[in-house]
Amino acid sequence: QKEVEQDPGPLSVPEGAIVSLNCTYSNSAFQYFMWYRQYSRKGPELLMYTYSSGNKEDGRFTAQVDKSSKYISLFIRDSQPSDSATYLCAMNAGGADGLTFGKGTHLIIQP
Amino acid sequence: DTAVSQTPKYLVTQMGNDKSIKCEQNLGHDTMYWYKQDSKKFLKIMFSYNNKELIINETVPNRFSPKSPDKAHLNLHINSLELGDSAVYFCASSQSSHFEQYFGPGTRLTVT
Repeated sequence: QKEVEQDPGPLSVPEGAIVSLNCTYSNSAFQYFMWYRQYSRKGPELLMYTYSSGNKEDGRFTAQVDKSSKYISLFIRDSQPSDSATYLCAMNAGGADGLTFGKGTHLIIQP
Repeated sequence: DTAVSQTPKYLVTQMGNDKSIKCEQNLGHDTMYWYKQDSKKFLKIMFSYNNKELIINETVPNRFSPKSPDKAHLNLHINSLELGDSAVYFCASSQSSHFEQYFGPGTRLTVT
């Protein structure tokens, strides 16, 4: 079993829809959780980060963490064609640990 | 005023050569990292370097070595390049008191 599982998609939704992206993990040591957006041939761009269970909101984005279920989600409201990209979940145990990434979900927002 | 920068952006070289990729961050962070993104787009940690401590992912061949001339720079040296080294290499940085990491634009390495 991989440490972080993420459905690679592609996930195609119409513009304006609410998008739900998810990851599950198996390592209980993971305490810090991040979502990155990566456009083709670009570096990962940090979207959201959190360390506690519950919800964190930033504009159209909401990150949700459930440590008891080892499950994290990213919700995108009012999705736009410019949101089309690969979304990567990432996590670590803290400190100078490298991040463990999911494989990324390829999201397509249809105009 | 790019936060994390890498040079070169593209690197094409032959098998057996030795090459270096440079990384600089102007965020004042104290920890830097190198990641490898393979052809299937999977990102994997190679090294993390915090002041004097180097943490190496045990799967990384010893042909790869990070070198840090100062806190703002972490360069990646690769000896005896192999075809399987072809990938995109990303540098990242963070502040040890915080956990979020910021990535550079990547260096696409092609070994022929």
